[in-house]
Amino acid sequence: DGGITQSPKYLFRKEGQNVTLSCEQNLNHDAMYWYRQDPGQGLRLIYYSQIVNDFQKGDIAEGYSVSREKKESFPLTVTSAQKNPTAFYLCASTAGQGPNSPLHFGNGTRLTVT
Amino acid sequence: AQSVAQPEDQVNVAEGNPLTVKCTYSVSGNPYLFWYVQYPNRGLQFLLKYITGDNLVKGSYGFEAEFNKSQTSFHLKKPSALVSDSALYFCAVRDVGGDDKIIFGKGTRLHILP
Repeated sequence: DGGITQSPKYLFRKEGQNVTLSCEQNLNHDAMYWYRQDPGQGLRLIYYSQIVNDFQKGDIAEGYSVSREKKESFPLTVTSAQKNPTAFYLCASTAGQGPNSPLHFGNGTRLTVT
Repeated sequence: AQSVAQPEDQVNVAEGNPLTVKCTYSVSGNPYLFWYVQYPNRGLQFLLKYITGDNLVKGSYGFEAEFNKSQTSFHLKKPSALVSDSALYFCAVRDVGGDDKIIFGKGTRLHILP
């Protein structure tokens, strides 16, 4: 079955460490997105990529970095510069076949930094 | 820049009654609107999308959405609520004429009371 896989489901890190969240899709989708979810704030866009080797900053990109070396993969690195990294992170993709293509989401990674 | 607002943090409805979850939007061009549902500790699932010209759009699980251009609204509705409809619901808008971001509202928690 096609889908988006985010790993791990739960991640714990010490403050000051960088951490990379994995996102892999086998849907052959062109565009991929990273969102951060905090209680009461909905989903906020971190980075997105519409094609391999290209990506754009979203609304809260500071303290995060991404790469898009392969169509299937869009890893997110949470750096030590991110002031409040504890959150639920969601990766999504869309086929890009017109603006009405819905997003397909992974099941998320819950990151806790202490 | 586009924006989307969900004015209610929580909506309570008795089982069997009709439900409405509100969403208003602002875009510079044509609106590309979506509704998603999220169950605990999971990613979002697509429910339905606005189709240009259709003021009433039908989606998954018996949900539908009413588009009103003059009020810039895209309210989610269901004629008869089920307890299993209890979840977090998100409205989203895509800014095709701008930077092509997909932006989400803050979410509305729907409680269906048995």
